[in-house]
Amino acid sequence: DAKTTQPPSMDCAEGRAANLPCNHSTISGNEYVYWYRQIHSQGPQYIIHGLKNNETNEMASLIITEDRKSSTLILPHATLRDTAVYYCIVRVPFHLDTGKLIFGQGTTLQVKP
Amino acid sequence: DGGITQSPKYLFRKEGQNVTLSCEQNLNHDAMYWYRQDPGQGLRLIYYSQIVNDFQKGDIAEGYSVSREKKESFPLTVTSAQKNPTAFYLCASSIGDPMENSPLHFGNGTRLTVT
Repeated sequence: DAKTTQPPSMDCAEGRAANLPCNHSTISGNEYVYWYRQIHSQGPQYIIHGLKNNETNEMASLIITEDRKSSTLILPHATLRDTAVYYCIVRVPFHLDTGKLIFGQGTTLQVKP
Repeated sequence: DGGITQSPKYLFRKEGQNVTLSCEQNLNHDAMYWYRQDPGQGLRLIYYSQIVNDFQKGDIAEGYSVSREKKESFPLTVTSAQKNPTAFYLCASSIGDPMENSPLHFGNGTRLTVT
């Protein structure tokens, strides 16, 4: 499974956009990029996922570079409730490997007033 | 509301006792998973089940057992053979359709403390 590299921590001012980077230089052509976040003592929350194209939903946007070796999660207007650990995960399609997720250390995002 | 329910939220046991953690989902998902999380670390897969009456070992299955007799339920037993059972345990489910790339949905976890 492809590995991901994320900065251990980041700060963001409340109301500003939070841009969380992730490197996945060994990603294969059929592997998806997933983002989850985890608030202390809760289960991880799914945010967004994508294969090649940029994706947007009500929570965030996902920008994947053309070579797919890196991606950026964008929270457009960060709030204090967005303070969490954010995990970038590369996942093989379900039919190839159980659909399990391999979690790294993630990025701790601290949103400050 | 559809979701995954893990109970209890906190569980305390004495060393040498087996303990069973509950996981129930009403999302009609075929696949279910158990992960373990230790302080400051990411999640590690213990067991997974892609369909009723079938399950497979994950990366750290030693000292654990599971059953999948019903689609909605995937209980995890932490046996006395598990050397470091104190951890945060997370259950997840997904549609499991091989043609989908559906996300995993997680419960809010059970924090097990063994003394």
